[in-house]
Amino acid sequence: DIVMTQSPDSLAVSLGERATINCKSSQSVLYSSNNKNYLAWYQQKPGQPPKLLFYWASTRESGVPDRFSGSGSGTDFTLTISSLQAEDVAVYYCQQHYTSRTFGQGTKVEIK
Amino acid sequence: QVQLVESGGGLVKPGGSLRLSCAASGFTFSDYYMGWIRQAPGKGLEWVSYISTTGSTTDYADSLKGRFTISRDNAKNSLYLHMNSLRAEDTAVYYCARELRCFDYWGPGTLVTVSS
Repeated sequence: DIVMTQSPDSLAVSLGERATINCKSSQSVLYSSNNKNYLAWYQQKPGQPPKLLFYWASTRESGVPDRFSGSGSGTDFTLTISSLQAEDVAVYYCQQHYTSRTFGQGTKVEIK
Repeated sequence: QVQLVESGGGLVKPGGSLRLSCAASGFTFSDYYMGWIRQAPGKGLEWVSYISTTGSTTDYADSLKGRFTISRDNAKNSLYLHMNSLRAEDTAVYYCARELRCFDYWGPGTLVTVSS
């Protein structure tokens, strides 16, 4: 099974500052036949189901603010919030669907 | 609009069984893979299972194989999760989700509590 490891487990960022979350897969999730990374990012706020932010590692879901960006390929991926807003306080998860499906353990983002 | 609503959660004793349902609306259910994901209290997301459009292909988390069974009824726009031999560690909110490239729509979840 592919293991997804996120870092850090939590981070506190000042309003307006950049937040960076890393996700590493135990094997590549890049599908060579279509050159797509089978990696998604989700945001979960307390008491709510997760919300899709990115698929194919860097394709923003409709309605997601452009201060969010996704990058990376193969085994190493990054979710960046360029200017943290109060409403971005949440837990963020990466998920692979290259082989079966697995989630990272989550990264909690708070305001410093 | 896409809606997914889970039901069937509740309190069950260890060793017991439960069937969760997910009612789908607002999209052509039979065109999409569907999945179940769970979240233990205060913990992260754990993928449970997925099922293909026709139900011919299913997969499960290794830790759950043999105890949980996913199924669907495309005529009723419904997804199911049959859970047997339940353990305390199965206590969680169970979400159903539509799968298109990834899990693009989620239901609000249903809580399953396994306790004596």
